[in-house]
Amino acid sequence: EVVLTQSPATLSLSPGERATLSCRASESVGIYLAWYQQRPGQAPRLLIYDSYKRSTGIPARFSGSGSGTDFTLTISSLEPEDFAVYYCQQRNNWALTFGGGTKVEIK
Amino acid sequence: QLQLQESGPGLVKPSETLSLTCAVSGGSIRSGSYYWNWIRQSPGKGLEWIATINFSGTTYYNPSLKSRVAISVDTSKNQFSLKLNSVTAADTAVYYCARLPWGAFDYWGQGTLVTISS
Repeated sequence: EVVLTQSPATLSLSPGERATLSCRASESVGIYLAWYQQRPGQAPRLLIYDSYKRSTGIPARFSGSGSGTDFTLTISSLEPEDFAVYYCQQRNNWALTFGGGTKVEIK
Repeated sequence: QLQLQESGPGLVKPSETLSLTCAVSGGSIRSGSYYWNWIRQSPGKGLEWIATINFSGTTYYNPSLKSRVAISVDTSKNQFSLKLNSVTAADTAVYYCARLPWGAFDYWGQGTLVTISS
């Protein structure tokens, strides 16, 4: 199984700041990595798929990059509604796995 | 707009079988382009993929749960289901159903909390 390691576990930032979240895979997943946002009490919401493609309705301040084993989610300027937990996810040979999550909290 | 809705008992006794159903509305489960999934999240923890099925009944399972899990689809009712047997307290979680077009889950149900307790 592909293990996804997210860092940092917690990111403390202020509104308007830039957030950079990392996801590292234990083996190459090509570009087949997705990012989700989860707010308290809600289901996860798909932000990015195939490493860099924004899902429908996702603001342009969210961007993804990377390939192979190293991936990044960037939020260019944090809005109040962006403070949440973010998960990465991969699908490799039908053994889907998620990372442990990064919590973006208000500093 | 596609909607997914989980249903099933909120409380299951240890050693018994957890059974959940996901009703799909606003689209057909028969679409060959999609896979239908169960994912869970233990309280305060991360996400764990459980199982996947397509309209023709092809299934994939998380290896760590495979011996206890069965996923099925009922195209006549536009729904799919999960059965997890021999449950323990470790199976207490919010269970989500979700659609997978290819590599990412684009539509999710709201989730249903299942507590394992006597």
